[in-house]
Amino acid sequence: AQSVSQHNHHVILSEAASLELGCNYSYGGTVNLFWYVQYPGQHLQLLLKYFSGDPLVKGIKGFEAEFIKSKFSFNLRKPSVQWSDTAEYFCAVNSGGYQKVTFGTGTKLQVIP
Amino acid sequence: GAVVSQHPSRVICKSGTSVKIECRSLDFQATTMFWYRQFPKQSLMLMATSNEGSKATYEQGVEKDKFLINHASLTLSTLTVTSAHPEDSSFYICSARPDAGYEQYFGPGTRLTVT
Repeated sequence: AQSVSQHNHHVILSEAASLELGCNYSYGGTVNLFWYVQYPGQHLQLLLKYFSGDPLVKGIKGFEAEFIKSKFSFNLRKPSVQWSDTAEYFCAVNSGGYQKVTFGTGTKLQVIP
Repeated sequence: GAVVSQHPSRVICKSGTSVKIECRSLDFQATTMFWYRQFPKQSLMLMATSNEGSKATYEQGVEKDKFLINHASLTLSTLTVTSAHPEDSSFYICSARPDAGYEQYFGPGTRLTVT
């Protein structure tokens, strides 16, 4: 069975600080990996995804994530956060052959102006 | 971009009644849709996978007779909460996966309150 763990539940940063949110998954085969974001009062939106190819994936709004197969990780990064990045971030995995996507518990990011 | 709508956005019902929530993919076809439940300060919990033209696949612990799912067309799935109780109060979110991809597009959610 596939599972996802996000280590940070609540992160508080000042504007311009760098961000890295951890995500680890457990599944030994081929995986598709996602980061979703939920801004306050809005629904979930896809931030970026990895299916294959270059393990460094660039998404919207300056976010990127790196797939490290040996570490079963897919950490999300942004060099300089903005107040508007305040949101909840969910890592998700879909393993080969499974229809469903499994979500992590989410990380709440609060950016202080 | 791909848009998924849900209706209603909020519903309040009395205990013992049934409530139907609709999920529509507006600009793409989705053979597969998903229903989630999100508890306060928790992640999304997958309830079931809805497949057009066939029975839904329910996750362990989800009562299929209580949460009826109908995927009537390639753009519409409905979730009916039957004989609702206060403990069914929650935020229900659907998602749809385009037939040609793996990513899911989420609806805005439905806040159900059972009194």
